[in-house]
Amino acid sequence: EIVLTQSPGTLSLSPGERATLSCRASQSLTSNYLAWYQQKPGQAPRLLIYGASSRATGIPDRFSGSGSGTDFTLTISRLEPEDFAVYYCQHYGSSPDDFGQGTKLEIK
Amino acid sequence: EVQLVESGGGLVQPGRSLRLSCVASGFIFDDYAMHWVRQGPGKGLEWVSGISWNSGSIGYADSVKGRFTISRDNAKNSLYLQMNSLRAEDMALYYCAKASGHILKYYYMDVWGKGTTVTVSS
Repeated sequence: EIVLTQSPGTLSLSPGERATLSCRASQSLTSNYLAWYQQKPGQAPRLLIYGASSRATGIPDRFSGSGSGTDFTLTISRLEPEDFAVYYCQHYGSSPDDFGQGTKLEIK
Repeated sequence: EVQLVESGGGLVQPGRSLRLSCVASGFIFDDYAMHWVRQGPGKGLEWVSGISWNSGSIGYADSVKGRFTISRDNAKNSLYLQMNSLRAEDMALYYCAKASGHILKYYYMDVWGKGTTVTVSS
């Protein structure tokens, strides 16, 4: 079973700043089957990125994903107030579909 | 509009059973695999179970294997989760999620419902 470790646990930044979130896998991921989801309080998760770097429909281009193998990154180039939320990575190349423990992005 | 609506949650005593339902609309239900994902109070996301488009492939998290049963009725555009022998640690918000493809592997979850809450308490 693949374990995904996200860091940091909490990231405190201000609007307008750049956010860099990390997701590290315990073993190399098949064909970069890595997704990122955003979850705001009281809401369901929303797909942001799939295939490690492809943006989902309707996702602003300030969100970008990168990485391969065991190390993946979600970057938000310039934070908007609505971006402060919890972010999860997920590996979907095998069953079970493992999620990371999440990174909380909070306003500084 | 693509939509998933869960129902069936509620308060149940430890050891009892509950059946969750998820009704899908806005897409061809039997073209896609489906999943249940849960989130305990103040916790992260945990994949619970998944089922392929034709029910030919099914998977469970170790934490629910042998107690939970996933099923689907493509004629009714519905997904189900039969939960038996419920424990306190099963208490969570349960989300229904659509896969982006027809099988369990290699497809991410592109549409999520709002969830239904399961409370396990005596």
